[in-house]
Amino acid sequence: ETGVTQSPTHLIKTRGQQVTLRCSSQSGHNTVSWYQQALGQGPQFIFQYYREEENGRGNFPPRFSGLQFPNYSSELNVNALELDDSALYLCASSFAGAGELFFGEGSRLTVL
Amino acid sequence: GESVGLHLPTLSVQEGDNSIINCAYSNSASDYFIWYKQESGKGPQFIIDIRSNMDKRQGQRVTVLLNKTVKHLSLQIAATQPGDSAVYFCAEKSAGRRALTFGSGTRLQVQP
Repeated sequence: ETGVTQSPTHLIKTRGQQVTLRCSSQSGHNTVSWYQQALGQGPQFIFQYYREEENGRGNFPPRFSGLQFPNYSSELNVNALELDDSALYLCASSFAGAGELFFGEGSRLTVL
Repeated sequence: GESVGLHLPTLSVQEGDNSIINCAYSNSASDYFIWYKQESGKGPQFIIDIRSNMDKRQGQRVTVLLNKTVKHLSLQIAATQPGDSAVYFCAEKSAGRRALTFGSGTRLQVQP
């Protein structure tokens, strides 16, 4: 149990819709990272937030966006959903500069 | 581009045996390495990490070995138990980068 909580755990959307996923970080952690994990693959870095600003981004288009709030919780927003966006979305929290990430259980998104 | 990969997609061992999961990386600037365990339907769980100034680190029943010369990382699990059955990911990070880069995973199956 890492103390990182994500919601919702499962959701189904259709192409073109928008989705918001939420994450509460482990107490004391000030950095939140989001990863996308397609079935049978390793997690892929989407972006990281620190002090409410994005401070690192992977190879994902601008329709993937996020927010971090003063209490360090975070949201991942995906617009104009595509079938390939179907995946497990993982949130991880950490201390700034630390290597170890603490992952939540993920939000399973299915796009039909 | 730089990548982290695993030699074997599936490893099957007998309960009580030792398991060795291997991982190759290509980024010579990688200075931090970490192993995660992911059970079905759950998020990745931290097992052990190692920095590039070390070549071995031990935890409870687990040992990570790092060979920087050949860019190779391994996870050894002693006295493998059925509860060790999961997918194992190695991941790496280099200084100045925000993201962990994950490999595609090795499935460990423990036979009773």
